[in-house]
Amino acid sequence: GQQVMQIPQYQHVQEGEDFTTYCNSSTTLSNIQWYKQRPGGHPVFLIQLVKSGEVKKQKRLTFQFGEAKKNSSLHITATQTTDVGTYFCAGKWSGGFKTIFGAGTRLFVKA
Amino acid sequence: EAGVAQSPRYKIIEKRQSVAFWCNPISGHATLYWYQQILGQGPKLLIQFQNNGVVDDSQLPKDRFSAERLKGVDSTLKIQPAKLEDSAVYLCASSPNLLAGGPNEQFFGPGTRLTVL
Repeated sequence: GQQVMQIPQYQHVQEGEDFTTYCNSSTTLSNIQWYKQRPGGHPVFLIQLVKSGEVKKQKRLTFQFGEAKKNSSLHITATQTTDVGTYFCAGKWSGGFKTIFGAGTRLFVKA
Repeated sequence: EAGVAQSPRYKIIEKRQSVAFWCNPISGHATLYWYQQILGQGPKLLIQFQNNGVVDDSQLPKDRFSAERLKGVDSTLKIQPAKLEDSAVYLCASSPNLLAGGPNEQFFGPGTRLTVL
């Protein structure tokens, strides 16, 4: 069935180090969204990627969508303690309306 | 702009009891979602409405879960009877219009944390 696999499950970094989380689908996606959920909070939308090979930046965050539209990544440069939380990708496939969330990558940042 | 409202924020019940959750989406949003989020997992879509019609309910355990959005605005999700494995956070989200194209970002409410004893 349709699903998105997300790795790693957890990542511990020292403040100032970089962080990357990866999202993969076995079938071609229509689009992919990224959300951040702070501990005890609810998911908050970060970005949506639609085009093959698309790269978008938001300050220290860089989002990429693979050429085949089957994988995506989120890279944070020079992490800060405010980046702590769980990052989810959410994929959507052609011909359907459902968005399926990955299991998330939980980021821990040590000051 | 007011966000997605949900109530109650917390609920503790015993197994086999029933429970209902309420969601009021952002004004004008046509699409409404109910998710179940078990601790340490990603949100799992239970049901998705476009106005007052169901778009997807393929993962809704229909023998015990039901949801409605009668006037195409607010929505209720009910569990009857509850099981221990229903303990989770139930998140409601809304987005402008699934069929209109564009980012269709989902705005989430604070969630209802359900504990089934």
